[in-house]
Amino acid sequence: AQSVAQPEDQVNVAEGNPLTVKCTYSVSGNPYLFWYVQYPNRGLQFLLKYITGDNLVKGSYGFEAEFNKSQTSFHLKKPSALVSDSALYFCAVRNRYSGGGADGLTFGKGTHLIIQP
Amino acid sequence: SAVISQKPSRDICQRGTSLTIQCQVDSQVTMMFWYRQQPGQSLTLIATANQGSEATYESGFVIDKFPISRPNLTFSTLTVSNMSPEDSSIYLCSVGVGRGTEAFFGQGTRLTVV
Repeated sequence: AQSVAQPEDQVNVAEGNPLTVKCTYSVSGNPYLFWYVQYPNRGLQFLLKYITGDNLVKGSYGFEAEFNKSQTSFHLKKPSALVSDSALYFCAVRNRYSGGGADGLTFGKGTHLIIQP
Repeated sequence: SAVISQKPSRDICQRGTSLTIQCQVDSQVTMMFWYRQQPGQSLTLIATANQGSEATYESGFVIDKFPISRPNLTFSTLTVSNMSPEDSSIYLCSVGVGRGTEAFFGQGTRLTVV
């Protein structure tokens, strides 16, 4: 079975500082990895994904994430945080190969990111 | 990207009744899923909606409680049957066109059972 861990319930960062939201995963075989953001009373918005290739992937709103296979991690980063980045962030994984009910995404529990002015 | 319309956006229902949630996509998609997000929790996959065949349910979810239809490649429904307060959640429809592509989500249906 695949799983995702987001060890921090909440991350507090001052505006203008770099931010990191942590994610580790467990999946048999190679993973597809995703980050989503959820604003209050809104659906999930896709931020970025790792499929193959460069370990550093860039996404929407200046976010990026680094895939580390040896550490099974996919941490979300941004060089300079904005107050508008405050939201709930989800990391998700999908097994690269179908079968065994692994077609859907498995989500982490989410991390509240709070950017303080 | 796909545009997903989910109806209703919210509802308050009496226990013991059923609610059917509709998901309409503006283009044909291979993969359609239904997720549940309980208050303050993460998203949990309920089932994969298969076009032309029975849905594939995840552990802990059964067809009698959450019957799903998918008559074509752009539409699906999820019914929450015989509701109890524990079913109060946000239910989200999600679509994708391939395993290596991102999934898109509807705005969700916020269900409150009283």
